[in-house]
Amino acid sequence: DTEVTQTPKHLVMGMTNKKSLKCEQHMGHRAMYWYKQKAKKPPELMFVYSYEKLSINESVPSRFSPECPNSSLLNLHLHALQPEDSALYLCASSPRLGQGDYGYTFGSGTRLTVV
Amino acid sequence: AQSVTQLDSQVPVFEEAPVELRCNYSSSVSVYLFWYVQYPNQGLQLLLKYLSGSTLVKGINGFEAEFNKSQTSFHLRKPSVHISDTAEYFCAVSALMIKAAGNKLTFGGGTRVLVKP
Repeated sequence: DTEVTQTPKHLVMGMTNKKSLKCEQHMGHRAMYWYKQKAKKPPELMFVYSYEKLSINESVPSRFSPECPNSSLLNLHLHALQPEDSALYLCASSPRLGQGDYGYTFGSGTRLTVV
Repeated sequence: AQSVTQLDSQVPVFEEAPVELRCNYSSSVSVYLFWYVQYPNQGLQLLLKYLSGSTLVKGINGFEAEFNKSQTSFHLRKPSVHISDTAEYFCAVSALMIKAAGNKLTFGGGTRVLVKP
């Protein structure tokens, strides 16, 4: 299995809703990432997990809450989002943090629309 | 800190013609270099990467890139494009994240390739 699987593929939520994005990989990778991508822009790093522990938080608002329950799963919990948070949310993984030569494996993303 | 500049935001090209996408980077430390492709409504797929060694790197789908250290460039080329190559292409560099001893992947702004019949 060489894939990163993200669910759901599309999500529409109201500003008062609570929802979660899910990411799963079975490649034995121990570093996992959340990226946010606005239309016609490059991906921007949000969070980095290494061995299930939060390693990097790129000053992301608290309405985004990441969670890594085990080495294969990464969640992003969403609460009280704003319309400007509408974007493509990408999950990625790499074998280890600190080994940039591998590049990352990306999922297909969740397209989020906040109404 | 590192940065990546993709000099062309959009490149129209006719089918079976060659294409070159330009990428320049700056970094105070050694970097690894990557090209990713993003098809409409999809995630990013790794095309190729430069780590060390030969400066000419071959990737998937007939793409290749050349690392030029003196010009801090990593341009992507394909000798003959297909309609299916219509996509967004991102150049990226990976360098040390000081605060976590990890590697941060920094993307350029992207180049949209539109292949015309």
